[in-house]
Amino acid sequence: ETGVTQSPTHLIKTRGQQVTLRCSSQSGHNTVSWYQQALGQGPQFIFQYYREEENGRGNFPPRFSGLQFPNYSSELNVNALELDDSALYLCASSFPDRPNYGYTFGSGTRLTVV
Amino acid sequence: AQSVTQLGSHVSVSEGALVLLRCNYSSSVPPYLFWYVQYPNQGLQLLLKYTSAATLVKGINGFEAEFKKSETSFHLTKPSAHMSDAAEYFCAVTANTGNQFYFGTGTSLTVIP
Repeated sequence: ETGVTQSPTHLIKTRGQQVTLRCSSQSGHNTVSWYQQALGQGPQFIFQYYREEENGRGNFPPRFSGLQFPNYSSELNVNALELDDSALYLCASSFPDRPNYGYTFGSGTRLTVV
Repeated sequence: AQSVTQLGSHVSVSEGALVLLRCNYSSSVPPYLFWYVQYPNQGLQLLLKYTSAATLVKGINGFEAEFKKSETSFHLTKPSAHMSDAAEYFCAVTANTGNQFYFGTGTSLTVIP
């Protein structure tokens, strides 16, 4: 069991820039979800990918986009960064048809937009 | 649609005392319910889950939770708090056909020596 790993752990970007966050899912989990956790809040669902296609999206604008690769790694891309995008971004892997199993979370990427 | 409400954003208990963290849920379909713990600068770790089997669920580190449909609650308890239990706790709900988890706003647990 390899767990979920995210990179980088911390990142500082300037407003208007673009950022790419990376995630390597737990072995055998072919579904990856991304969550945004603002300071003092619970995680908010951004989107989920299953077999390299988006499989559900939360209330986030199109400048939040993602990719999932055949090796279960994935990316979260955010364009035109805004100050409110500053948050902890969490990647979580799971089985697509077994929500009762829950998620396995990575440690997150702390993004600061200045 | 699903949602959870965690009552009490901050809870303080003495070491050795009972821990009770409250969670109420709303769901239009049978829910799956989860408790996660988050330590500073870390991701979320699964404590326990309810998936329509036994209503009293036991998890890691001595925690347990009871699903009460009549009260739409899933409160987390631990008989005796330990210093290492100090963390942020999140309740979450999803549907058996869902792909999205809905998290509460969290409860910060402080354990006083």
